[in-house]
Amino acid sequence: GQNIDQPTEMTATEGAIVQINCTYQTSGFNGLFWYQQHAGEAPTFLSYNVLDGLEEKGRFSSFLSRSKGYSYLLLKELQMKDSASYLCAPHHNNNDMRFGAGTRLTVKP
Amino acid sequence: DSGVTQTPKHLITATGQRVTLRCSPRSGDLSVYWYQQSLDQGLQFLIQYYNGEERAKGNILERFSAQQFPDLHSELNLSSLELGDSALYFCASSVAAQSAYGYTFGSGTRLTVV
Repeated sequence: GQNIDQPTEMTATEGAIVQINCTYQTSGFNGLFWYQQHAGEAPTFLSYNVLDGLEEKGRFSSFLSRSKGYSYLLLKELQMKDSASYLCAPHHNNNDMRFGAGTRLTVKP
Repeated sequence: DSGVTQTPKHLITATGQRVTLRCSPRSGDLSVYWYQQSLDQGLQFLIQYYNGEERAKGNILERFSAQQFPDLHSELNLSSLELGDSALYFCASSVAAQSAYGYTFGSGTRLTVV
């Protein structure tokens, strides 16, 4: 099975940087997805980390440590439209991809 | 438009009834996944099909069933509906059975059981 732990809610200011952490315990681990979901909408793909380290993609970066079962999503230069839930999803080799409960991020002016 | 089509977008039905939700995957995708998302809850994985065969099963109730047809569209059948089944039901698709390219989600079907 999987245990996925993320903070429930976070608040940050427009223009700032925020880091959303995710810890997981899972067997047969392949990699880790991050998705963004606005309320009432479908999740959209942000990143997929397989190897340890930081991957940068524009204002968003994602980090993975396989040995520690730890990942984070880093959002820079926050914009109001970044207010959404951010879902961590370990991906393992039986393809049973399960999502964490998500972190609801509120960006304030 | 993500390329994954779900119908209907909204469905209101009474307790005890049966409904069918439909999903057409993105062109070229062979895998279809179903997820349930209750109000303010996370996405709960229900079931996955790959090229017509069941590949993985999550927390799917016995009252629920699904299948994937030769044209690769999938249907999720929910029977003996209860109030607690009210939720957003998402379908997602991917190219392979194990995809490192992420899953593409449809816009969901909002089911309300009254």
